[in-house]
Amino acid sequence: AQTVTQSQPEMSVQEAETVTLSCTYDTSESDYYLFWYKQPPSRQMILVIRQEAYKQQNATENRFSVNFQKAAKSFSLKISDSQLGDAAMYFCAFINAGNMLTFGGGTRLMVKP
Amino acid sequence: DTAVSQTPKYLVTQMGNDKSIKCEQNLGHDTMYWYKQDSKKFLKIMFSYNNKELIINETVPNRFSPKSPDKAHLNLHINSLELGDSAVYFCATALALGYEQYFGPGTRLTVT
Repeated sequence: AQTVTQSQPEMSVQEAETVTLSCTYDTSESDYYLFWYKQPPSRQMILVIRQEAYKQQNATENRFSVNFQKAAKSFSLKISDSQLGDAAMYFCAFINAGNMLTFGGGTRLMVKP
Repeated sequence: DTAVSQTPKYLVTQMGNDKSIKCEQNLGHDTMYWYKQDSKKFLKIMFSYNNKELIINETVPNRFSPKSPDKAHLNLHINSLELGDSAVYFCATALALGYEQYFGPGTRLTVT
């Protein structure tokens, strides 16, 4: 079975600073996809970034980037130039060939003005 | 137009009742899902439905049943509601394997 672990229940960052959210996962498969989702207080789940396991290049999306270490099974999210609107729950997620998405427990990010 | 919609947004009901939550998508996706988010924010997949093939998470009680009247809809029917069913339920869709999932706004179910 796949597991996804987010070891930081809460993180805080000063506005305009950079923060990194950690995620590790466990799988025996070689072909899979990883995601970071954001859930603001509105409760809506929003896709932040996506990474294919077969790609060595780290995905980037504007101020969001990942550090994907396949051998270490690590998939951290870096948010640069943090903004107040970045405050939310962030979920790391893994999808395998069976097409079942497994989520980590989430990290609550607080942004201080 | 909202890509994935759920109704109702809030549902309060008593133990033992039967209720349904509706999900509709206008993205033309083949795959739809139901997730449960508990009070600790933990998200767990309940069902995956792809081209009429249903994949069930074996930990889901059989009081829960997804029903798909057509490709654009995957409704969640719950029989004999229990207190522990209180949670936020999310519907999601995806174009294909590995593609991002688009989530509905969620339905907060409260069982009293």
